[in-house]
Amino acid sequence: EAQVTQNPRYLITVTGKKLTVTCSQNMNHEYMSWYRQDPGLGLRQIYYSMNVEVTDKGDVPEGYKVSRKEKRNFPLILESPSPNQTSLYFCASSFAPLTLGDGYTFGSGTRLTVV
Amino acid sequence: GQNIDQPTEMTATEGAIVQINCTYQTSGFNGLFWYQQHAGEAPTFLSYNVLDGLEEKGRFSSFLSRSKGYSYLLLKELQMKDSASYLCAGSGGGNKLTFGTGTQLKVEL
Repeated sequence: EAQVTQNPRYLITVTGKKLTVTCSQNMNHEYMSWYRQDPGLGLRQIYYSMNVEVTDKGDVPEGYKVSRKEKRNFPLILESPSPNQTSLYFCASSFAPLTLGDGYTFGSGTRLTVV
Repeated sequence: GQNIDQPTEMTATEGAIVQINCTYQTSGFNGLFWYQQHAGEAPTFLSYNVLDGLEEKGRFSSFLSRSKGYSYLLLKELQMKDSASYLCAGSGGGNKLTFGTGTQLKVEL
């Protein structure tokens, strides 16, 4: 089944403890992206990638890192998580550029709580 | 990023038609997407408009006016399962996609 898989689905962690949220897609998609979703603020783009080893900042990149060493994987790294990073995170991918009308396919989400 | 505005919530009756509006700033704008998101689930792609005019897809249609920075999503023959949040999103340079805060649609009997 074609899908974007994120792990874990739920995570509670403590301030300052490094964590990685994994994202993998099996659709041979070129483009991948990370979003966070917060009540009243909607979905905000953290980072996106247009190819292997090509990443760029979205609207809210502070406190996050990403890497794209292979096409299928796009992990999100929080080096020193803080409570304001408590959020619902979505990974997304698309085969073609958004300008061609290829919408993102989203993963099921990761609910992160930082205490 | 883009400034995307849409109403926070709307209520409509089963079987009726509802129009959800979205406005955006036009500088750096490429195209406009609509997504549907049910509570606790991932957003799913509904439509994409890059040229002015109406795109129809079954019960859902989406309209774009590039000069006015305006789009709407039209839902016909509303069903209870259409109760969801509808997200308007503008694409800019690279693969940036900026979302509005979403319109929560409640369909009532």
